[in-house]
Amino acid sequence: EADIYQTPRYLVIGTGKKITLECSQTMGHDKMYWYQQDPGMELHLIHYSYGVNSTEKGDLSSESTVSRIRTEHFPLTLESARPSHTSQYLCASRGGTANTEAFFGQGTRLTVV
Amino acid sequence: KQEVTQIPAALSVPEGENLVLNCSFTDSAIYNLQWFRQDPGKGLTSLLLIQSSQREQTSGRLNASLDKSSGRSTLYIAASQPGDSATYLCAVHPGTYKYIFGTGTRLKVLA
Repeated sequence: EADIYQTPRYLVIGTGKKITLECSQTMGHDKMYWYQQDPGMELHLIHYSYGVNSTEKGDLSSESTVSRIRTEHFPLTLESARPSHTSQYLCASRGGTANTEAFFGQGTRLTVV
Repeated sequence: KQEVTQIPAALSVPEGENLVLNCSFTDSAIYNLQWFRQDPGKGLTSLLLIQSSQREQTSGRLNASLDKSSGRSTLYIAASQPGDSATYLCAVHPGTYKYIFGTGTRLKVLA
């Protein structure tokens, strides 16, 4: 069973607020990812990290930022939430070589009103 | 550019049927292919990982095959149950930083 956790599971917040979505894994994985997914739509990679102090932007442009100060944590921050940020955010991790499984958290469904 | 396609986009079957979900990819240079299940509003659950050197993997009622040269993978579900209803996603790992996901097959198994 995957040990990767996202909090909160659901968040409804007003426009202009700063929010941080948490992602933690206890598997010691070096690679971590954030995906954005609208209902019924594809997953889009917005950030990834190869390890501590390593972060890169993904394919989909996002106003969010990430940090990787510790191996197990990969938080995503929106400085000023807007209704266009309403979506589901999925965190994933993978360890070892290229031939290892990726594991996903349960997601955070964000609604900005 | 690697593209991953899943057919059919949606499938509705009566309980007990055996079914096959298809995944096609355009570039055969992959490290592995992974099948996931996603329930509505939830994250992805890993089902099976097939490495590029493997032809198939099995887990319970699930069997996934890989034909790298033709750019195809199939997920076989035996004796389908209503609890199998979900969206099934395949993702290929080309050896770079990310997975490339298919568009998914929405499966509904009718009781």
